Amino acid sequence: EPEVTQTPSHQVTQMGQEVILRCVPISNHLYFYWYRQILGQKVEFLVSFYNNEISEKSEIFDDQFSVERPDGSNFTLKIRSTKLEDSAMYFCANRASSGNTIYFGEGSWLTVV
Amino acid sequence: AQTVTQSQPEMSVQEAETVTLSCTYDTSESDYYLFWYKQPPSRQMILVIRQEAYKQQNATENRFSVNFQKAAKSFSLKISDSQLGDAAMYFCAYRTNAGNNRKLIWGLGTSLAVNP
Repeated sequence: EPEVTQTPSHQVTQMGQEVILRCVPISNHLYFYWYRQILGQKVEFLVSFYNNEISEKSEIFDDQFSVERPDGSNFTLKIRSTKLEDSAMYFCANRASSGNTIYFGEGSWLTVV
Repeated sequence: AQTVTQSQPEMSVQEAETVTLSCTYDTSESDYYLFWYKQPPSRQMILVIRQEAYKQQNATENRFSVNFQKAAKSFSLKISDSQLGDAAMYFCAYRTNAGNNRKLIWGLGTSLAVNP
């Protein structure tokens, strides 16, 4: 089973601080996604990324959020100034160009205090 | 817009018994995929089973099988011979096959308890 690796597994941050969540995708899987799951709620789509640009983003993905592949390998989600309501599990997901299955990382649990 | 509904917030089953989790969805598309994901207490999201809408045959993976009723837009998951390790949150998800994005749309989940 292919693996998507996420770091950190858990981060506690002060409100207003910047956070970067990192994802190491599966080799040659070029479609990237970030999803969010607030405790007790459904999984929500944040953004999809392909060919070094955002292909779709949700209403949640406002100006506080950004994504990039800084070194052509890792895929990051940055939250510029965290708010309490950003506390959630953030999942990175990955799909091959011809693939039908989206593989998930183990998630990064963000707690904003 | 597509929606996914899981009407059972919680379910329980005795070990070794069979349980069925319900999922319905709404879409105007004809080409799509449906998934069941399992989320154990570790909160990792694990793919359980996948169904292509154009296939009439129900998908099966070992003890996991689905009952896919396309006309009724229903996609239930059956777990046979339930094991303690099956205890988890189960999410039903829909994915269009149109375009390149192919994001997942999720149900609210069903929490499954397995009683010894």
